[in-house]
Amino acid sequence: DTGVSQDPRHKITKRGQNVTFRCDPISEHNRLYWYRQTLGQGPEFLTYFQNEAQLEKSRLLSDRFSAERPKGSFSTLEIQRTEQGDSAMYLCASSRRTRQETQYFGPGTRLLVL
Amino acid sequence: RKEVEQDPGPFNVPEGATVAFNCTYSNSASQSFFWYRQDCRKEPKLLMSVYSSGNEDGRFTAQLNRASQYISLLIRDSKLSDSATYLCVAPNFGNEKLTFGTGTRLTIIP
Repeated sequence: DTGVSQDPRHKITKRGQNVTFRCDPISEHNRLYWYRQTLGQGPEFLTYFQNEAQLEKSRLLSDRFSAERPKGSFSTLEIQRTEQGDSAMYLCASSRRTRQETQYFGPGTRLLVL
Repeated sequence: RKEVEQDPGPFNVPEGATVAFNCTYSNSASQSFFWYRQDCRKEPKLLMSVYSSGNEDGRFTAQLNRASQYISLLIRDSKLSDSATYLCVAPNFGNEKLTFGTGTRLTIIP
């Protein structure tokens, strides 16, 4: 499969625990994006990377959230001290670095915080 | 005002009918727009891009009205497989950040 992959696909955790998600983009794509989607809403932008550089962060990304892309390939999104309000689908997308280039989404990681 | 607004529906449409969705956007600097389709519990997938006045792909037609800041999606001869949520998307200038509407839920009835 040459699409965007995400791991794990599902995560159930208790409030206060830390969780980490991984995203592997399409291999020739140097832009990688994280979005969050809650029930009945469209995805909301969290952050994006161009190669290893994190170029923009949404105000939705509180200090409990951190994203990395150390070698410009896969990315991780960590949530510390999870809260029930963090329950959502976390979507990763990737694209080439050209204007009007399509963002391709991975299957998402569905997080449930109890 | 939300950056991208859509009627959430649901739209329940008989098979074979024509259905149209509208979407309004607030950022007049947006240059291109997209319609994504999202099946239940799946990721969004690109359906159509709209760069100028409109785009047509088979049974699907997307139109852009910059003066009124709205985008429309028309589906002709609807199929059962068209049942999904349709997300209107306005990216920022460099396409780094996609702003999605809440989505319009469509169900095609046999």
